[in-house]
Amino acid sequence: AQSVTQPDIHITVSEGASLELRCNYSYGATPYLFWYVQSPGQGLQLLLKYFSGDTLVQGIKGFEAEFKRSQSSFNLRKPSVHWSDAAEYFCAVAPYSSASKIIFGSGTRLSIRP
Amino acid sequence: KAGVTQTPRYLIKTRGQQVTLSCSPISGHRSVSWYQQTPGQGLQFLFEYFSETQRNKGNFPGRFSGRQFSNSRSEMNVSTLELGDSALYLCASSLGTGAQETQYFGPGTRLLVL
Repeated sequence: AQSVTQPDIHITVSEGASLELRCNYSYGATPYLFWYVQSPGQGLQLLLKYFSGDTLVQGIKGFEAEFKRSQSSFNLRKPSVHWSDAAEYFCAVAPYSSASKIIFGSGTRLSIRP
Repeated sequence: KAGVTQTPRYLIKTRGQQVTLSCSPISGHRSVSWYQQTPGQGLQFLFEYFSETQRNKGNFPGRFSGRQFSNSRSEMNVSTLELGDSALYLCASSLGTGAQETQYFGPGTRLLVL
């Protein structure tokens, strides 16, 4: 069965520190992978997505993610976090045929320490 | 270009009532998808509409239904409300239905069932 695991429920990092949010997926074929961010009271915003090609994907707001097929991982990274990055982050996987059949992970809440 | 709009933003209902939520997609987008977000179950796909036809459906009971109009606006209806239907309902629109299409999410409608 398809699934997405985000092992960290809540992470706190200091402003200016680097960040890595973990994501592992289970999928029968090459997946389409996504990272979304949700700020309090807001909908989801797409940070980046991976379909094929270069396994290092650049996104908005200075985020990047690396697809590692051997580890079934798609971790999100940012070299230096800002207080405005505090939010909930969702990793997701979808079949090529439908964006709407997307399966979301349970999310990682990111807090920023001043 | 205006984003995805959802109305109402907040709603309080009692058990047994029915509710209709509305979603206006980004201009030119023909695909609208609905999601339910709860603390316990996370983000779950409800259904997707494209050109007034339901394309995909998640694993929800028949009390949850939807439709799409010729202008791509969509409504979802929940009949015989239960306490467990309390959730944030998110709508997303995209140009098409493939996973390569970026979904743009609205801010959601927060439904509280008493």
